[in-house]
Amino acid sequence: NAGVTQTPKFQVLKTGQSMTLQCAQDMNHEYMSWYRQDPGMGLRLIHYSVGAGITDQGEVPNGYNVSRSTTEDFPLRLLSAAPSQTSVYFCASSPVTGTPTLGQYFGPGTRLTVT
Amino acid sequence: AQSVTQPDIHITVSEGASLELRCNYSYGATPYLFWYVQSPGQGLQLLLKYFSGDTLVQGIKGFEAEFKRSQSSFNLRKPSVHWSDAAEYFCAVGDSNQFYFGTGTSLTVIP
Repeated sequence: NAGVTQTPKFQVLKTGQSMTLQCAQDMNHEYMSWYRQDPGMGLRLIHYSVGAGITDQGEVPNGYNVSRSTTEDFPLRLLSAAPSQTSVYFCASSPVTGTPTLGQYFGPGTRLTVT
Repeated sequence: AQSVTQPDIHITVSEGASLELRCNYSYGATPYLFWYVQSPGQGLQLLLKYFSGDTLVQGIKGFEAEFKRSQSSFNLRKPSVHWSDAAEYFCAVGDSNQFYFGTGTSLTVIP
């Protein structure tokens, strides 16, 4: 199993550009999520999904869109990038929803810089 | 609202010494609690978790944590630190489908 994979590893965008961060997992996990990690802020939940076709907002959803058309994939879209979105983005998945007893499996991260 | 506090931003210990990383949480019900470790440039790896039962939980890499409801704490411990334990450590609390992370504690291990 590859686990949770993220592409790209690094990305530089100009203000106003759009892009999609890709996330895929091959563990048939129901739950998937996106976090951003900023210095001194820890990880903050952006969006999450409890299954194909179901998404919901986390703590910091503004400026980001998600969709979940398959169990495996959970892309994160930045429609108009802003410097405040410079961060490291992590995708994570978990086998179950509603009872987070198993913790999450994290991808390696995408480092995004918006100039 | 749920929140997690890790009061120590950075800790330095000597190799072979014991370690305790502090974590306090604010949560309205029985919490699901986790500790993760992040090596430089890597994603997070689950060290251990607590959701019920024995308040002392064992994890990977020789780590353990104790849940103390009266103190709203879930401190991480290791009896003897190895140089390879140098990393960032995050405490987290889970709420149904949302997880809240602390700001992390950076651990430096000196020979």
